[in-house]
Amino acid sequence: SAVISQKPSRDICQRGTSLTIQCQVDSQVTMMFWYRQQPGQSLTLIATANQGSEATYESGFVIDKFPISRPNLTFSTLTVSNMSPEDSSIYLCSADPSPGDGYTFGSGTRLTVV
Amino acid sequence: AQSVTQPDIHITVSEGASLELRCNYSYGATPYLFWYVQSPGQGLQLLLKYFSGDTLVQGIKGFEAEFKRSQSSFNLRKPSVHWSDAAEYFCAVGAAGFQKLVFGTGTRLLVSP
Repeated sequence: SAVISQKPSRDICQRGTSLTIQCQVDSQVTMMFWYRQQPGQSLTLIATANQGSEATYESGFVIDKFPISRPNLTFSTLTVSNMSPEDSSIYLCSADPSPGDGYTFGSGTRLTVV
Repeated sequence: AQSVTQPDIHITVSEGASLELRCNYSYGATPYLFWYVQSPGQGLQLLLKYFSGDTLVQGIKGFEAEFKRSQSSFNLRKPSVHWSDAAEYFCAVGAAGFQKLVFGTGTRLLVSP
């Protein structure tokens, strides 16, 4: 199965600033997915990133707050913009290189906004 | 719309005892079903998946799950729990064709000596 390298693994940021999270997959994938896991909660999908087109955002998430780039078939970034303490969460990326493999997840980025 | 219910928020099992974690799903077509485990401070690791075929699925670390369409369930089982199994377990449902996953709220497994 694919391996996804995600960085940074954790960060502490000041409110009002932005953080960009990177995910690198060791194989080409059609779709990449970005999830948020708030403290003690389950995973919620933020957006789906398809190479060559704009990301598709879930209800409650907007591009201005969570801009996503997908420059090629192995890489994606998620930016958390104008951060507030409510953005403190774990952010995870995911991909499914081929049907039947099962979705692989990055190790997550633990973000704390102070 | 897809949804997943994990009715047990916490479960405590004695080491060496058997384990069953419940998962019920709602989905209009044949679902793709997954179980993931998340250890503290870690990402998600795929334990097993069901797409089609044999309804009893074997996974890693001695886990298995059984798909029961009539009950819309995909319960996770392990015959003998080890202390290292203490973690958060998530059931998820998806559709074919690189679609998103919908996760349950998770079950936290505690293992007592």
